Amino acid sequence: GAGVSQSPSNKVTEKGKDVELRCDPISGHTALYWYRQRLGQGLEFLIYFQGNSAPDKSGLPSDRFSAERTGESVSTLTIQRTQQEDSAVYLCASSLGQVEKLFFGSGTQLSVL
Amino acid sequence: QKEVEQNSGPLSVPEGAIASLNCTYSDRVSQSFFWYRQYSGKSPELIMSIYSNGDKEDGRFTAQLNKASQYVSLLIRDSQPSDSATYLCGNSGGYQKVTFGTGTKLQVIP
Repeated sequence: GAGVSQSPSNKVTEKGKDVELRCDPISGHTALYWYRQRLGQGLEFLIYFQGNSAPDKSGLPSDRFSAERTGESVSTLTIQRTQQEDSAVYLCASSLGQVEKLFFGSGTQLSVL
Repeated sequence: QKEVEQNSGPLSVPEGAIASLNCTYSDRVSQSFFWYRQYSGKSPELIMSIYSNGDKEDGRFTAQLNKASQYVSLLIRDSQPSDSATYLCGNSGGYQKVTFGTGTKLQVIP
């Protein structure tokens, strides 16, 4: 597809389970970002990749959160031992590498019961 | 102190009026500034970017940047009900991390 693709679109999990969220950026986009958006809140920066390198991981809330990226392609955000406060929409965005325009995916709605 | 601050609103304006959205930031090395619009239940989309002090106009939208005072604003002229959305202010210090404020909810009343 032409846009940023995220999967799954919705994920319901039980507290304590691990989840993996996937982001497929626009082809050719070297930069990839993960944000978290709680209900009615703004975008909380988690991590960004330039290629498969993550220069800034400062936004990851705890060591339960990790992310990786294969080359300049797919990225996965993993949340281990999920907690109820992890419930949010997780948005992925990609850009050409210059900070000009971020293209956002539709997000993954994560619900931790 | 949050890196980017916005009034959460809601900001209500009548149709046809000028909507003024404001944002302040704490990082003095910020070089790039953005306004994204997010409709309810949708993903954000870029509507304006600005890099230099002064005004930048695009149709009904004008972004204003004042680096000395560390604020950036967005003016929407002739506001329409379709402009009702949350407007996110974002900035970057030049190494690509883009940080956003909490967003201002705009309601345009017909």
